[in-house]
Amino acid sequence: GAGVSQTPSNKVTEKGKYVELRCDPISGHTALYWYRQSLGQGPEFLIYFQGTGAADDSGLPNDRFFAVRPEGSVSTLKIQRTERGDSAVYLCASSVITGSTEAFFGQGTRLTVV
Amino acid sequence: QQPVQSPQAVILREGEDAVINCSSSKALYSVHWYRQKHGEAPVFLMILLKGGEQKGHDKISASFNEKKQQSSLYLTASQLSYSGTYFCGTEGPEGNTPLVFGKGTRLSVIA
Repeated sequence: GAGVSQTPSNKVTEKGKYVELRCDPISGHTALYWYRQSLGQGPEFLIYFQGTGAADDSGLPNDRFFAVRPEGSVSTLKIQRTERGDSAVYLCASSVITGSTEAFFGQGTRLTVV
Repeated sequence: QQPVQSPQAVILREGEDAVINCSSSKALYSVHWYRQKHGEAPVFLMILLKGGEQKGHDKISASFNEKKQQSSLYLTASQLSYSGTYFCGTEGPEGNTPLVFGKGTRLSVIA
């Protein structure tokens, strides 16, 4: 596709449930980033991939959060036992390479845990 | 560590100028600027690499003072379309690190 695609655009789930958020980056982009954005805040780094491997997962808040990118393209962010505090917009971005290059963001998935 | 942006919010009339500042407590390799409109994805504006360069396109430009670990975004002759929240994202001293974003500066341009 022309840009970074994230699905679903909105997700409402009950506390304690498991959710998966999908990111389809721009074709050929080797670097993929997940961020979380709460209302009135800047994007907060979660994890980034260089190819298939997670190069830095230091931003994941706890072990309920996990992300994969098995073929170096599409990535899935997985959240187990969701809590109300997980509610936020989850943004995915991709860039040609890691580092000082332009990153393209998707529209995000708005996750609401009720 | 999260960079600090100032001001938090600013209201301008069309045609007025504004400066948004971004300050870090640690050494930086680069500073990236993004603009986000309500309900939309952040959109890239520009990157400044260490070396004190200044960049710009159209009426939006920026500078980066690596010694002071500060960057400023300059918007001149503002247009209604400039409204949105501006974020700076900083990259650590070695480069090749994910960006750490500030809390943003909300800019409103009114007619």
